[in-house]
Amino acid sequence: DIQMTQSPSSLSASVGDRVTITCRASQGISSYLNWYQQKSGRVPKLLIYAASSLQGGVPSRFSGSGSGTDFTLTISSLQPEDFATYYCQHTYNTRAFGQGTKVEIK
Amino acid sequence: EVQLVESGGGLVQPGGSLRLSCAASGFTVSSNFMSWVRQAPGKGLEWVSVVYSDGRMYYADSVKGRFTGSRHTSENTLYLQMDSLRTEDTAMYHCAREGPGNGVDIWGQGTMVTVSS
Repeated sequence: DIQMTQSPSSLSASVGDRVTITCRASQGISSYLNWYQQKSGRVPKLLIYAASSLQGGVPSRFSGSGSGTDFTLTISSLQPEDFATYYCQHTYNTRAFGQGTKVEIK
Repeated sequence: EVQLVESGGGLVQPGGSLRLSCAASGFTVSSNFMSWVRQAPGKGLEWVSVVYSDGRMYYADSVKGRFTGSRHTSENTLYLQMDSLRTEDTAMYHCAREGPGNGVDIWGQGTMVTVSS
């Protein structure tokens, strides 16, 4: 099965910072890559699907890029409501999530 | 309203069985890709299984041979039969609809499964 590895596992950032989270697949997955945000006690929220398509209602400060094995989620200017855990997920054949990246307040 | 409501969780001993249900409203289960995703307390998301609209089913290696997914078209309901349960299966189980690009756009609130003696 395809494994997904996110980095970093956690990061500290300030409001207004540009934040980048990476996700690497153990083999090529084309653009079958999604990004989710999860806040404590809540179900995950879809941010980006198919590597770079913004889900409806998601602020434009979120963007995704990549294809093949290497992918990136970027938050262009971190807002207070963005402090959360972020997960990548492939849907190339079966599915799998990365281990998550916790974004904390510096 | 488009929503998913899970039920069937509870406390079970190791080696036991449970059947989870996921009732959908506002859309047709059999016309969509539907997944089960679990999250152990304080841990990350773990994909469990998916059923495609054409009926094909796939499972995570961690549950293959023990869990069986199904759907009931007239009830618009998804099921997950869980057998030979292990302590490491303890988690909140969510059913989920995959939307554009197979990203999960609708999540149920989940049902808690606790495997303990």
